[in-house]
Amino acid sequence: EPEVTQTPSHQVTQMGQEVILRCVPISNHLYFYWYRQILGQKVEFLVSFYNNEISEKSEIFDDQFSVERPDGSNFTLKIRSTKLEDSAMYFCASKVQLTTRQETQYFGPGTRLLVL
Amino acid sequence: KQEVTQIPAALSVPEGENLVLNCSFTDSAIYNLQWFRQDPGKGLTSLLLIQSSQREQTSGRLNASLDKSSGRSTLYIAASQPGDSATYLCAVRYGSSNTGKLIFGQGTTLQVKP
Repeated sequence: EPEVTQTPSHQVTQMGQEVILRCVPISNHLYFYWYRQILGQKVEFLVSFYNNEISEKSEIFDDQFSVERPDGSNFTLKIRSTKLEDSAMYFCASKVQLTTRQETQYFGPGTRLLVL
Repeated sequence: KQEVTQIPAALSVPEGENLVLNCSFTDSAIYNLQWFRQDPGKGLTSLLLIQSSQREQTSGRLNASLDKSSGRSTLYIAASQPGDSATYLCAVRYGSSNTGKLIFGQGTTLQVKP
C-alpha cells in the first residue's frame, strides 16, 4: 500500500543552523501538509501546500520556515536558523483532494528534530 | 477559538473490555473528523474518517460516532486487545478551512493489560 515517507528519521543540529526535512507524499496526492508535535503536546498544523504554493499557514510558520516541492515527488520543509524551541517531531501528510470522498490525510512516520 | 479536547488523557483497561474514547470540539461547523492511532515515537495511522453528514463509521472492532449538535465524537473499541495499546488522536477539519488543515486533540493514551 502506498505510504508517505520522510527523511531523515532523526536529526540533531546546533542552534542557528539550517535544516531541511524531506517528505515523499503518495504519488497521486495533490495536497500536502506539515505538522509538528513538541514532546508531550498536541500535533499542530504548520502549513498546507497545493498547486505549487502555500494555501494556508499557521502563526508558527514564520519567516524562518519555508516549503518547497522541488520536483514531482519531494516536498521539503526548511528551517533557516533553528531555535531550541523548534525541537519536535515533524510530520508530513498528504491527501488526494478536498472532495468528500478523498478527505483522509495520510501521515508519514515523522522526523525527530533536536536542536542543541 | 476552534479547539479539540479529548478526555480522559489516559485509560487502562483489562483485555477483552469494550471501551469508549471521547472527543469534543468547540465549533459545530465541522467538515469532517478523523481518528488516528499513534504508537510511541511513531507516525499517525488513520483509523476512521467521519464526514459531517454522517452519524457513524465502522471498521472492524472500531466504531466512531459523531454528534455535531453537541460537539462530540466517540471512538468505541470492542473486545480490546493488548495490541490496541497506543495513543488515540481525534482531529477535526473545520468548515471554515478550505485547505483541509486538521486541528488535533491532545490524545488519549490507552493501555490494555493482558
